[in-house]
Amino acid sequence: DTEVTQTPKHLVMGMTNKKSLKCEQHMGHRAMYWYKQKAKKPPELMFVYSYEKLSINESVPSRFSPECPNSSLLNLHLHALQPEDSALYLCASSQDFRGETQYFGPGTRLLVL
Amino acid sequence: DQQVKQNSPSLSVQEGRISILNCDYTNSMFDYFLWYKKYPAEGPTFLISISSIKDKNEDGRFTVFLNKSAKHLSLHIVPSQPGDSAVYFCAAADSGNTPLVFGKGTRLSVIA
Repeated sequence: DTEVTQTPKHLVMGMTNKKSLKCEQHMGHRAMYWYKQKAKKPPELMFVYSYEKLSINESVPSRFSPECPNSSLLNLHLHALQPEDSALYLCASSQDFRGETQYFGPGTRLLVL
Repeated sequence: DQQVKQNSPSLSVQEGRISILNCDYTNSMFDYFLWYKKYPAEGPTFLISISSIKDKNEDGRFTVFLNKSAKHLSLHIVPSQPGDSAVYFCAAADSGNTPLVFGKGTRLSVIA
């Protein structure tokens, strides 16, 4: 089983809203990732959690706040987003963050109005 | 600075023929390489990988070739099928240190 699940599939939010994206995996992976993908571009790494600790933050604005409540769950809290933050947000997991194969979830398509 | 380059944004191939997707990298520390396939509005799906101790890895219709001296890898799909039409991303990592670095992708269209 190489399944990573993400909810919701679609999200529309206003610039003053607070919302959260959720990601779950049950493969025993110890690294989890958030990526942002715009149309016709590759996935851009946002955050990496390794063993439930934030290992990498790719200079992401503070209106995006990640949280890893346990080894299977990863959240991305959103607050005061801008229209240019509209994108496909992808979660991925891997055994370890150092170059292991990453398995991606289906993504959450976010539209900020 | 783009460390992983896919110089062909798109490729069209007839059904049944071979598709060859290319990828170049600049970081000589990269030692693990992967190909992902992506349909619109979905997450990338892992296809095949290769580590730098090998020069070829095969899985069914998919074969990845690695030329370390040229810092080049390629994905061969044979025979190509219409369902293979998607965007293919090459990714690489320094498996001691870094998460994956993705290329910009190549859109493959397989024409029936």
